[in-house]
Amino acid sequence: DTEVTQTPKHLVMGMTNKKSLKCEQHMGHRAMYWYKQKAKKPPELMFVYSYEKLSINESVPSRFSPECPNSSLLNLHLHALQPEDSALYLCASSQLGFVMNTEAFFGQGTRLTVV
Amino acid sequence: AQRVTQPEKLLSVFKGAPVELKCNYSYSGSPELFWYVQYSRQRLQLLLRHISRESIKGFTADLNKGETSFHLKKPFAQEEDSAMYYCAKTSYDKVIFGPGTSLSVIP
Repeated sequence: DTEVTQTPKHLVMGMTNKKSLKCEQHMGHRAMYWYKQKAKKPPELMFVYSYEKLSINESVPSRFSPECPNSSLLNLHLHALQPEDSALYLCASSQLGFVMNTEAFFGQGTRLTVV
Repeated sequence: AQRVTQPEKLLSVFKGAPVELKCNYSYSGSPELFWYVQYSRQRLQLLLRHISRESIKGFTADLNKGETSFHLKKPFAQEEDSAMYYCAKTSYDKVIFGPGTSLSVIP
């Protein structure tokens, strides 16, 4: 299994809602990532988990809260989002972290719309 | 600051013509460079990495440290090459993506 699976594929939420994005991989990768991608723009890194510990937070607002319950799962909890947070949210994983020149595997993404 | 630049937002070539997608990076130590591709309605995926010096789907990329460039080339473009291409550089567990070049191969 060489896939990163993200659920849901699409999500519409109100500004007062609480929702979660889920990501799963069974490749034994110990680094997992959340990216945000706006239309026609490159992915922007949000969070990095290494060995289930948060290693990088790219100054992401606290309305985004990541969680790594185990080495195969990565969640992104969403609360009180703004319409400008609407984007494609990508999860990725890699074997030992990008610094080791390994390939990153990306999920299909969750298309989030905040209304 | 670590930067990756791709000067062309859009590039159109005819099928069978050579294609070159440009990428320049800011230098800091030994660069680790990649090309990622995103086909329509598909996930972002690795195309090739400089360290392995491989050719994938007919594409090659040579690292030129003097010019701090990592241009992607293919001698004969195919319609299925139409996609968004991102040059990327790694830095301490981060991947820094360039702005991307949208390649359109005209039949």
